[in-house]
Amino acid sequence: AAGVIQSPRHLIKEKRETATLKCYPIPRHDTVYWYQQGPGQDPQFLISFYEKMQSDKGSIPDRFSAQQFSDYHSELNMSSLELGDSALYFCASSLVRGNEQFFGPGTRLTVL
Amino acid sequence: QQQVKQSPQSLIVQKGGISIINCAYENTAFDYFPWYQQFPGKGPALLIAIRPDVSEKKEGRFTISFNKSAKQFSLHIMDSQPGDSATYFCAASSPGGGADGLTFGKGTHLIIQP
Repeated sequence: AAGVIQSPRHLIKEKRETATLKCYPIPRHDTVYWYQQGPGQDPQFLISFYEKMQSDKGSIPDRFSAQQFSDYHSELNMSSLELGDSALYFCASSLVRGNEQFFGPGTRLTVL
Repeated sequence: QQQVKQSPQSLIVQKGGISIINCAYENTAFDYFPWYQQFPGKGPALLIAIRPDVSEKKEGRFTISFNKSAKQFSLHIMDSQPGDSATYFCAASSPGGGADGLTFGKGTHLIIQP
């Protein structure tokens, strides 16, 4: 079965640079969620989108923004990167009324 | 404030034994309670989930028990196997049209000894 696709899988950036993470949801899933997971931590919800509209917002820094496109894929844009942004970033997708969120393999972001 | 409290932080169980992980929540608006399994460097994988209208749900070796009045739920892994060694997270979300983010517990590092 098709799963959530995330790219890139690994990303290394310098402080103050920008990064863009991409997420392609499971086919027919129309809702996308972004999570950040630090080392040894639980995933922290950042933001979600349904039908290209922001649906729910969690602890997303103002330096980050995200959007969902007409083909339902989503991009997380991160600016003025800080050392503390180094983490695994997961995208999950679901059918709006299903609640079941299926996670992708993640993007490991390292900020030097 | 941790809205979902998970215990224990780590757990060692002998092969064939029962692994039990507990979670408690504060927000009475939560109405969906999933459990995820995560291996190092991988994404969380949905194991099993429950809603407050049932007290127990079983899928294979995994069972969720739910106590609405106590605002607690637990995961039981029967006949635990070394391949079950992973980090387990409980989570919760509220209705909000079904697109609400999950609030996770801190996780339980489970080790199954052969």
